Amino acid sequence: QKEVEQDPGPLSVPEGAIVSLNCTYSNSAFQYFMWYRQYSRKGPELLMYTYSSGNKEDGRFTAQVDKSSKYISLFIRDSQPSDSATYLCAMSVDAGGTSYGKLTFGQGTILTVHP
Amino acid sequence: EAQVTQNPRYLITVTGKKLTVTCSQNMNHEYMSWYRQDPGLGLRQIYYSMNVEVTDKGDVPEGYKVSRKEKRNFPLILESPSPNQTSLYFCASSLQGPWGEQYFGPGTRLTVT
Repeated sequence: QKEVEQDPGPLSVPEGAIVSLNCTYSNSAFQYFMWYRQYSRKGPELLMYTYSSGNKEDGRFTAQVDKSSKYISLFIRDSQPSDSATYLCAMSVDAGGTSYGKLTFGQGTILTVHP
Repeated sequence: EAQVTQNPRYLITVTGKKLTVTCSQNMNHEYMSWYRQDPGLGLRQIYYSMNVEVTDKGDVPEGYKVSRKEKRNFPLILESPSPNQTSLYFCASSLQGPWGEQYFGPGTRLTVT
């Protein structure tokens, strides 16, 4: 079983839809939870990150972490064609933890928002 | 301009011929890391370096070597490449660790025949 599981999709939605992207994980030591966005033929770029549990909002994007269920989500409101990309979740343990330099990614979800 | 550079961007080589992919950052970052990206597998970490002279294995280190002699450079070495190392490789750096924002290079597409 992989440490981080992410539904690869692909996911296709109409413009304006609410998108929900999810990851589950098995390592209870993970404390940092990140979402990266990767456009075609480009390197990933950080979209949002959350420390421990809770919600974080940034414009149309909301990240949620439920550590009790080992489940994280990224919501995109009012999705736009420019949101079409691959979304990758990533997780790491806290500084000082075992293997604290490691970063574990999910498989990535390919999202297409059509006009 | 703050950036991570990788060279070469594209490389086709043959099995067993040693190669090095260079990575350099100009942001004075402590943390650097190498990843490979394969369809359906996402990004997998090969090696990382918390600071100069300190490196450690990621999830898929077999067949790779790294060195961190200077803060800005973190080359990836394939001593004897094999076809299963055909992949898209990314170098990344961040201020302190994987929990901070990582800046990724443009990627190196490697084909081993």
